[in-house]
Amino acid sequence: ETGVTQTPRHLVMGMTNKKSLKCEQHLGHNAMYWYKQSAKKPLELMFVYNFKEQTENNSVPSRFSPECPNSSHLFLHLHTLQPEDSALYLCASSQALSGGPPGNEQFFGPGTRLTVL
Amino acid sequence: LAKTTQPVSMDSYEGQEVNITCSHNNIATNDYITWYQQFPSQGPRFIIQGYKTKVTNEVASLFIPADRKSSTLSLPRVSLSDTAVYYCLVGGYSGAGSYQLTFGKGTKLSVIP
Repeated sequence: ETGVTQTPRHLVMGMTNKKSLKCEQHLGHNAMYWYKQSAKKPLELMFVYNFKEQTENNSVPSRFSPECPNSSHLFLHLHTLQPEDSALYLCASSQALSGGPPGNEQFFGPGTRLTVL
Repeated sequence: LAKTTQPVSMDSYEGQEVNITCSHNNIATNDYITWYQQFPSQGPRFIIQGYKTKVTNEVASLFIPADRKSSTLSLPRVSLSDTAVYYCLVGGYSGAGSYQLTFGKGTKLSVIP
């Protein structure tokens, strides 16, 4: 148990569906991240929020829309996804980014296994 | 972005020391080097982080040469429970609202009884 929870753990959706992934951290952190982990590919950083402000969007398609209403919650809204978007989506949190170590230690949730049909 | 390269897989017997090297030739001045461990169906877990020279904690050591173009994670006396994928991460916060992170493809370590 890392203090970062993600729901749902598994999600199957059609290409025309709209769904949301939820992440919650109970660690008092101020930075949160979304990663995509596909088979045979490195972990890809998608979005970074620092004090609820988005600081990074690594050329992620607009069919992925993040939302960070407060420092403890992070959402990833999904719509009109493609089969190649099937992957494990990981959320992480850390101490606030401040120019020192890159977020210090990141604590990861267990991930949401997404399958797009 | 700093590209990282690590071996795809490694095997080791229980009780041996394991060294996993990551190459990151174009590491930037602001970048730190972090290693994570990942078990199946779990998110990665922090092992160790460093900027230069040597860092040691209760589970591992991290060796970084002066040019910082590579780093070596050292796991002393591995056990079967150390069987996992190990990721090298290079990245930093530029302070200009930009935060760059590059994970390696991971090294699958198999510990043999």
